Amino acid sequence: EMQLLESGGGLVQPGGSLRLSCASSGFTFTTYAMTWVRQAPGKGLEWVSGISHSVGTTYYADSVKGRFTVSRDNSRNTLYLQMNSLRAEDTAVYYCTNRYVNSGPFHYWGQGTLVTVSS
Amino acid sequence: DIQMTQSPSTLSASVGDRVTITCRASQSISSWLAWYQQKPGKVPKLLIYKASSLESGVPSRFSGSGSGTEFTLTISSLQPDDFATYYCQQYDGYPLTFGGGTKVEIK
Repeated sequence: EMQLLESGGGLVQPGGSLRLSCASSGFTFTTYAMTWVRQAPGKGLEWVSGISHSVGTTYYADSVKGRFTVSRDNSRNTLYLQMNSLRAEDTAVYYCTNRYVNSGPFHYWGQGTLVTVSS
Repeated sequence: DIQMTQSPSTLSASVGDRVTITCRASQSISSWLAWYQQKPGKVPKLLIYKASSLESGVPSRFSGSGSGTEFTLTISSLQPDDFATYYCQQYDGYPLTFGGGTKVEIK
């Protein structure tokens, strides 16, 4: 069974940093592009960042470009999101999802991890 | 970037009603469109992909149609379990984008 398990969320002050992780199992990690999607409290879904399955090409939403860095460790089947210069508007539940060979919709989602940016 | 616009933002309906939600893309996305259902406090669930393909395990009362820039999600006979928020999403290219959501409420 395909499983995605996020961790690393928590409370951080504005301007601070946090690193999220997504441990994956039940599928061949290297054949899936990986993605972060977030949802602010009471708001809709927002795609944040993605990384391709093969050469590790990265993609970012304009709202996080230059502040967030996505990476993957194929030996550990783990996806990361390094978040720097955090702002109040980054407060959200962050979900990890995957896409087979960097195409298609999000069939599988993790349970999410909450990031709260507040002083 | 491709903008996705859903309408309506809120919809009030009764059990047994036929419900239609519209999603418009700012440019053609062929059929690279998905629909998700989300209930409060829960993870989004994929319902429809490639505009009209039903995800495994999803009831047949859900259907999708459209191509290019205009898409619809239809629930043929609304059930109590269907009261939720629905999102469309394009996956024609990066940045991937979602619509703003349609909340289906009990009338």
